[in-house]
Amino acid sequence: DGGITQSPKYLFRKEGQNVTLSCEQNLNHDAMYWYRQDPGQGLRLIYYSQIVNDFQKGDIAEGYSVSREKKESFPLTVTSAQKNPTAFYLCASRSGETQYFGPGTRLLVL
Amino acid sequence: KQEVTQIPAALSVPEGENLVLNCSFTDSAIYNLQWFRQDPGKGLTSLLLIQSSQREQTSGRLNASLDKSSGRSTLYIAASQPGDSATYLCAVRPDSGYALNFGKGTSLLVTP
Repeated sequence: DGGITQSPKYLFRKEGQNVTLSCEQNLNHDAMYWYRQDPGQGLRLIYYSQIVNDFQKGDIAEGYSVSREKKESFPLTVTSAQKNPTAFYLCASRSGETQYFGPGTRLLVL
Repeated sequence: KQEVTQIPAALSVPEGENLVLNCSFTDSAIYNLQWFRQDPGKGLTSLLLIQSSQREQTSGRLNASLDKSSGRSTLYIAASQPGDSATYLCAVRPDSGYALNFGKGTSLLVTP
């Protein structure tokens, strides 16, 4: 099946810990995106990548980092510098004008 | 900065009703506008995409319109069904770049 997978579905972070959210796609899309969604809020762009080995900051990049070493993969690391990481994280890839979203990862702080 | 507003924030209707969801945006320099559906705890599914040069798009019971000059879009759902219950998000793509600006969504509940 073609699509976008995100893992894990739930992730727990201890204070001061870095955690990495996985995003994989087998759609052969060049562009990939990471969004954050808070309750009752729209999606806010964290980082995006138009092509392998290149990525750009979005509106709320502080406290996050990404890499794009492979076309299929765009992992997001939530660093200890992100003081309010509790949210629902969505990864997407784009073909033409349409963005395709993964099922999301919910990050909770212990 | 582009601001996208969706009204109402929540809506409850009985099954079979026709309904309209509203989306407004502050900067008319958009490339396109999209409507998405999000089920609880899930990712987003694209419903309709309207290019800036278009006035409307239709898919089944869904019809989306766009008035770029006034900064407004509507999503019309005909003959609503309980399976339509979800959050509907509006997003605009600016003329420059591919990053989308999202509204906060309208939470729809269709009761049997």
